Amino acid sequence: GAVVSQHPSRVICKSGTSVKIECRSLDFQATTMFWYRQFPKQSLMLMATSNEGSKATYEQGVEKDKFLINHASLTLSTLTVTSAHPEDSSFYICSARDLAGPYNEQFFGPGTRLTVL
Amino acid sequence: AQSVAQPEDQVNVAEGNPLTVKCTYSVSGNPYLFWYVQYPNRGLQFLLKYITGDNLVKGSYGFEAEFNKSQTSFHLKKPSALVSDSALYFCAVSDNTDKLIFGTGTRLQVFP
Repeated sequence: GAVVSQHPSRVICKSGTSVKIECRSLDFQATTMFWYRQFPKQSLMLMATSNEGSKATYEQGVEKDKFLINHASLTLSTLTVTSAHPEDSSFYICSARDLAGPYNEQFFGPGTRLTVL
Repeated sequence: AQSVAQPEDQVNVAEGNPLTVKCTYSVSGNPYLFWYVQYPNRGLQFLLKYITGDNLVKGSYGFEAEFNKSQTSFHLKKPSALVSDSALYFCAVSDNTDKLIFGTGTRLQVFP
């Protein structure tokens, strides 16, 4: 079945540094990937839609200069949290849309827990 | 605008008993409805979806959900709960765009 991986699974960094999170579709091509953020005991909030070969589409209230998204290939999207601060600590989850599936359903990665000290 | 409501923060059920996790939705046009399950510190696992066709949808791990258009509901059900079903369950809706709108989640606790 469709598998999505994320790397790293967990990262701790100092305030002011940048962190890159990778999202890969392992056995299918994904022209569209999605980045979500989940706070403890809360739902997933869509941050942005990542489109291969073009600029990402950000949801209202999400700073595009802070959360840089690159989708350079059909199997890889990256999210870079620039100049991270403690309030950026969260669980980040990506998903990928399988165009070959019977419906454009999304398959989710295992998530990356970011802790900013 | 699309929205999803999961009115229960937590559902408790004894092992072997039937379980129901409630979900209601609001969307313009035909809804595409999904249920996902999340275990601690993990991503979401797909359980089932309703696109069109039969109102009763069968999914993974013995779960099923019934689409009720008049009540705009898509409740998740299982005839006999297992302790291993204990997890966080999310209902989501899409209006055939790429975006999924998630509910706030319901924590299912199955007691031995």
